[in-house]
Amino acid sequence: NAGVTQTPKFQVLKTGQSMTLQCAQDMNHEYMSWYRQDPGMGLRLIHYSVGAGITDQGEVPNGYNVSRSTTEDFPLRLLSAAPSQTSVYFCASSKDRNPTYEQYFGPGTRLTVT
Amino acid sequence: AQSVTQLDSQVPVFEEAPVELRCNYSSSVSVYLFWYVQYPNQGLQLLLKYLSGSTLVKGINGFEAEFNKSQTSFHLRKPSVHISDTAEYFCAVISNDYKLSFGAGTTVTVRA
Repeated sequence: NAGVTQTPKFQVLKTGQSMTLQCAQDMNHEYMSWYRQDPGMGLRLIHYSVGAGITDQGEVPNGYNVSRSTTEDFPLRLLSAAPSQTSVYFCASSKDRNPTYEQYFGPGTRLTVT
Repeated sequence: AQSVTQLDSQVPVFEEAPVELRCNYSSSVSVYLFWYVQYPNQGLQLLLKYLSGSTLVKGINGFEAEFNKSQTSFHLRKPSVHISDTAEYFCAVISNDYKLSFGAGTTVTVRA
């Protein structure tokens, strides 16, 4: 199993540009989520999904969209990038939202918005 | 909603010395508690978790943590650290909303 994969690893955007961060998992996990990591703030939940076709907002959803058309994929879209979105983004998945199941994290995407 | 406070942002420690990383949480309901480790330029990896039962939890790489409900704490300890333990450590909590909330992180630097 590849686990949780994220692409790209690095990305530089100009303010106002759009892009999609890709996340895929091959473990047949129902629960997937996106976090952003900023210095001194830990990880903050952006959006999550409990299964295909179902998404919901986390702690910091503004400026980001998600969709879940398949179990495997959970892309994160930035419609109009802003410098405040400069961060490291992590995707995670687990069998279920039940906390007895471990969340597996991808390697991250480092995004810089100029 | 719950919050997580990691009391130390940086912890320098010598190799083979013990280390304790402090974590306090605030929640009025039952919680599940976790410690994650992030090695340089990598994603997060689960060290250990407390769901119920024994308050002393043992994890990977020789780490352990103790859940103290009265003090709302979940401190992480290792009796003897190695250079390879240099990493950032995150305490996290899940409550009834099933959302994982993280502390700000503690950077551990192990020196020879």
